[in-house]
Amino acid sequence: QSVLTQPPSVSGAPGQRVTISCTGSSSNIGAGYDVHWYQQLPGTAPKLLIYGNSNRPSGVPDRFSGSKSGTSASLAITGLQAEDEADYYCQSYDSSLSYVFGTGTKVTVL
Amino acid sequence: QLQLQESGPGLVKPSETLSLTCTVSGGSISSSSYYWGWIRQPPGKGLEWIGSIYYSGSTYYNPSLKSRVTISVDTSKNQFSLKLSSVTAADTAVYYCARRSAPKDDAFDIWGQGTMVTVSS
Repeated sequence: QSVLTQPPSVSGAPGQRVTISCTGSSSNIGAGYDVHWYQQLPGTAPKLLIYGNSNRPSGVPDRFSGSKSGTSASLAITGLQAEDEADYYCQSYDSSLSYVFGTGTKVTVL
Repeated sequence: QLQLQESGPGLVKPSETLSLTCTVSGGSISSSSYYWGWIRQPPGKGLEWIGSIYYSGSTYYNPSLKSRVTISVDTSKNQFSLKLSSVTAADTAVYYCARRSAPKDDAFDIWGQGTMVTVSS
């Protein structure tokens, strides 16, 4: 049911920068709805990482940043660390009257 | 520090009704700035929003599940609940309760640890 498309996986060496895209449409991201990002470590609940397209909750390292343009959004992780290995999900609202999540991206630290 | 905790049966028979409760501790469910919701994740798959409720009782459901879902709130117990009727194996998932925060642009900022529900006879 996911209407937000993410790459299944991305990888990078420690210290590198990786980006995760989140592609939507004119009924969700393109309609101006905010995009949020969540990190899900193995076996745990999702944790809010970025809200309102580019804002970090307190306690989230500034290595994580978000942006939005048109019908897409992106999450960037700079200075990749082993502890960043997790699944990442984008989320927005769709004019079909539903909150929607992305397909999810697994980040692997090489 | 606000915490959410799901509770309910871990095994439900096909065609029956799944019932879960989320207990909110460390804060009031009656705050005007928040909605309270349910999100599920089938094994090995992504996240799906089920629905949300305001402390006043106003509800919002995923259109794809609306015919089977009921979410209610009990402010005296600081709890909200999920009922999903006529379940099938496709409803097997980890069910999370979460807070949707107006101050954080309606992001789900606090999550419960999740509870696994299996639909099987």
